[in-house]
Amino acid sequence: AQRVTQPEKLLSVFKGAPVELKCNYSYSGSPELFWYVQYSRQRLQLLLRHISRESIKGFTADLNKGETSFHLKKPFAQEEDSAMYYCALTVNFNKFYFGSGTKLNVKP
Amino acid sequence: DADVTQTPRNRITKTGKRIMLECSQTKGHDRMYWYRQDPGLGLRLIYYSFDVKDINKGEISDGYSVSRQAQAKFSLSLESAIPNQTALYFCATAATGNTGELFFGEGSRLTVL
Repeated sequence: AQRVTQPEKLLSVFKGAPVELKCNYSYSGSPELFWYVQYSRQRLQLLLRHISRESIKGFTADLNKGETSFHLKKPFAQEEDSAMYYCALTVNFNKFYFGSGTKLNVKP
Repeated sequence: DADVTQTPRNRITKTGKRIMLECSQTKGHDRMYWYRQDPGLGLRLIYYSFDVKDINKGEISDGYSVSRQAQAKFSLSLESAIPNQTALYFCATAATGNTGELFFGEGSRLTVL
């Protein structure tokens, strides 16, 4: 069965510090990975997807198939990055499996 | 703006009551999903539907049922609510062929006493 693991429930960093939110997955095939974000009082929304190899709001994520990881990184965190982040996986764009989420708190 | 709307946004009910959560969308998407969010567990898939005649169970469908009344409407029912169904429920939509973007509603918070 597919599984997405986010080991950190809470991550606190100071403004300007680098941030890395960890995501590991288990699946024997070739999944597609995503990061979704939920800002305070906003809806859950797509942040970035592996297939697009994009950088959004300074965030990037590299799929490492050897380590089965898709960690989200940003070199310099901003206070507005404080939110709940979910890593998600799909194997055929039909069902989507989410991790348990990591709350990022960027302190001034 | 095209949107995903959930009703009710908040509901408190008693054990054994029947509850329906409704989701409607104006995005024209064919795929609709119901997720449940619990602290520490993230989002878990309850049911999903690819069109009006297609209904599929997700990871945690026991105790739930759904109805796809039209392409734009997807309802989630709890036939006999129990306290461990207290959670935040999300509806989401997606378009076939879309590269994985789900569009979420604002959520329906259900409390079962």
